Amino acid sequence: AQTVTQSQPEMSVQEAETVTLSCTYDTSENNYYLFWYKQPPSRQMILVIRQEAYKQQNATENRFSVNFQKAAKSFSLKISDSQLGDTAMYFCAFMLAYTGTASKLTFGTGTRLQVTL
Amino acid sequence: DGGITQSPKYLFRKEGQNVTLSCEQNLNHDAMYWYRQDPGQGLRLIYYSQIVNDFQKGDIAEGYSVSREKKESFPLTVTSAQKNPTAFYLCASSMGIAYTDTQYFGPGTRLTVL
Repeated sequence: AQTVTQSQPEMSVQEAETVTLSCTYDTSENNYYLFWYKQPPSRQMILVIRQEAYKQQNATENRFSVNFQKAAKSFSLKISDSQLGDTAMYFCAFMLAYTGTASKLTFGTGTRLQVTL
Repeated sequence: DGGITQSPKYLFRKEGQNVTLSCEQNLNHDAMYWYRQDPGQGLRLIYYSQIVNDFQKGDIAEGYSVSREKKESFPLTVTSAQKNPTAFYLCASSMGIAYTDTQYFGPGTRLTVL
């Protein structure tokens, strides 16, 4: 079974600064996908970024980027130029790369990020 | 607008009652999922469906039931057998079994047992 660990329950960052959220996972499989989801106070889960394990290049989406270390089974999220709207719960999630079956997600317990003035 | 809708947003249930949570999507996705979220925990998978008239148990299916009679709809029934049903419930969908693909989520339903 796969597990996802987020060791930082809460973090705080000042507006315009950079913050990095940590995530580690455990799997014996070689082909998988990793995701970061954001859950603002509205509680809607929003996809932030996705990384395919077979890709060496780290994914980026505007101010969001990841540091994917496959050998270390680490998948951290960096938020640059933090904005007040980034205040949310952030979840790391893992998905095995199968075909022929629905793509089940395994979530970490989340990191609550507070962006302050 | 394409998306996933869940209703109601808030739901109150008396002990011993069954309640049904609605999930509808117009994304033309084949696969749909139900998750439960409790404070301090990540999302846990209750049931999922890869195609119409087919569904499988997830990690915490006891006390829940689902149906998938239409591609667009995947209702979840919380039965009286569910011992601790108070939680936030999220529905999601993805393109389907031919893909390993991103799941997109609805806005959720908060269920409270009185």
